[in-house]
Amino acid sequence: DQQVKQNSPSLSVQEGRISILNCDYTNSMFDYFLWYKKYPAEGPTFLISISSIKDKNEDGRFTVFLNKSAKHLSLHIVPSQPGDSAVYFCAARRSDGGATNKLIFGTGTLLAVQP
Amino acid sequence: DVKVTQSSRYLVKRTGEKVFLECVQDMDHENMFWYRQDPGLGLRLIYFSYDVKMKEKGDIPEGYSVSREKKERFSLILESASTNQTSMYLCATGPTGNNQPQHFGDGTRLSIL
Repeated sequence: DQQVKQNSPSLSVQEGRISILNCDYTNSMFDYFLWYKKYPAEGPTFLISISSIKDKNEDGRFTVFLNKSAKHLSLHIVPSQPGDSAVYFCAARRSDGGATNKLIFGTGTLLAVQP
Repeated sequence: DVKVTQSSRYLVKRTGEKVFLECVQDMDHENMFWYRQDPGLGLRLIYFSYDVKMKEKGDIPEGYSVSREKKERFSLILESASTNQTSMYLCATGPTGNNQPQHFGDGTRLSIL
């Protein structure tokens, strides 16, 4: 049972345009959401997060939107750059997960930014 | 910056061997995690630890065990390696408290022949 879903395995975008990566979740107990970026042969790098009490969080070129009623979050990258080409994972934490911040990850979306 | 160091980037072992993967963090974080990453399956939690000598099963613990004798070190053990344990293994660490991200090491690409 995949509680965090990334339905697009891959996405191709032109340099300078907007990249939109999507993530859906099924568990209403999730209260904290994160995006990680992963290059081949490296570990995931934390990118941006959002608490369930907010609907938007912005950090430079990266913005995460949360729609709790739709159980949907998205990551916007504007403008996209070739160095953004990587696999992006969304992750969620259950509010009853205690203090360990145990996360559930999606399957990832491979973003390719074309020069 | 948080530093999470995994002992090997690449490892090749034989079926039936006992395999040890080591992870060390330098940030005094209480929580440490072991995941495996497989194509199309994302990151799946194998085991985690919230304190020294404490451990809890994740979503796919079968065939694995862990050890945390010191706060900074978390070891993953494949008791008798099998070919279906060929994967990328990722260690992560994170502090206790709400809304704190986990930080990952660079991973160990393990091949079981």
